[in-house]
This record gives sequence, structure tokens and C-alpha cells, in this order.
Amino acid sequence: SQQGEEDPQALSIQEGENATMNCSYKTSINNLQWYRQNSGRGLVHLILIRSNEREKHSGRLRVTLDTSKKSSSLLITASRAADTASYFCATTFDSWGKLQFGAGTQVVVTP
Amino acid sequence: GAVVSQHPSWVICKSGTSVKIECRSLDFQATTMFWYRQFPKQSLMLMATSNEGSKATYEQGVEKDKFLINHASLTLSTLTVTSAHPEDSSFYICSASPRGRPHPEKLFFGSGTQLSVL
Repeated sequence: SQQGEEDPQALSIQEGENATMNCSYKTSINNLQWYRQNSGRGLVHLILIRSNEREKHSGRLRVTLDTSKKSSSLLITASRAADTASYFCATTFDSWGKLQFGAGTQVVVTP
Repeated sequence: GAVVSQHPSWVICKSGTSVKIECRSLDFQATTMFWYRQFPKQSLMLMATSNEGSKATYEQGVEKDKFLINHASLTLSTLTVTSAHPEDSSFYICSASPRGRPHPEKLFFGSGTQLSVL
């Protein structure tokens, strides 16, 4: 399996603080995506970064990708209680979108 | 946006029975669908790739006779958990890859099915 690793496994912060989580993977990729999952529910796609990109922004989200280190980071700025969820990175390395998910980071944002 | 409908959202069954989970792409055709399983507080693990009109491709360690996948049309894939046991209790989720996109950059996920086997 080339499932990636994420750290931290869990993160507890207060509203307004930034949350940063990291993801590492093992092989060459086409792109890397970040997803959010609220407890026991489906996945919400957050952002995709291509293998030739180094940084991408979407609202309060900032994603970086370092292909030389095979790692990515997700930064959530000015966190809100509604950001409480598990966050997963996922990589694709084939042309049909088979995803390999990281272990996930559980984020708790307290008011 | 594209929608993938997964049904049922939750199911409770007795040990030894079979359970069928449906994954439908509502507004696009899906040549390929993927089935994932997620145990509590763990990540999603790919179980199999479902290809319309052909046999599914299973990941290593997934029993194809236990997890039957049928992708009979371009909008529907089904996963049947046969002779379910308590250890099969898990969250199952599908995703669909739109037809004709050689490099789907965004997959569309169903909302998942929570299976509890008593």
C-alpha cells in the first residue's frame, strides 16, 4: 500500500487560531487532494494541487506541495468551530482517479 | 455539480445475511466507480475498482467472493456484502469517475453507508 501518513493525528485548537497538518506519500503522483469528513459522513472535496504546482489557495485554505520531499501541508487560517472534522490527503497516480488516502488528522476547534 | 447518490445511508443486519449497497451517478455517466471501506477512526481503504461491463478489480486482501461488485450500467454500481459478519461492520463509500475524462481531477463521492452487523 502506498497510503500516506499524516501528522498530527489529532489537533485541538481554539477558534481564530490556524491549523496546520501535513501529509507524506511514497510514490510519484499526478495530483494531491485534501478532503474533509465530518463525523460518520461522506467526504467533502476541499482543494486539489497538481504535481507541477507548489502552492494553492482557496478561501481560508492554503495547500503546499513539495514533490522532492513527497509531502504536502494544509493550512486552515482563522479556524471556526465548523471546521471541526477529520482531514485527509489523497493522492492519485493513475489516470482514472484511484485514490490512496492518508491516515487523516482529526481537528477539533473549540469556541 | 455532479451528484453521486449512495443508498442506503445506514443498514443494520443479522449475521449471515447479505446486504446490497447502491451507488448511482445522477447526472453523469461513470465508466469507473471505486468502493472504499472505513473502520471507525481510521482512513479510507480502497476495496475495489468497478468497471462498467467488466469484472471489478479488487485490492489485495479483499475477498471478491464476499464483496460482490456489479457495474451493469454507466450510472449504477452495486456492492453486495455476502454472509455478513460483525467484522464487516464499517462505513462503505463509493466514488465515481466521469466517463470520457482521462484524468479526473475531482472525483464525486457518495454520502456513504454505515453497515452494522449484529
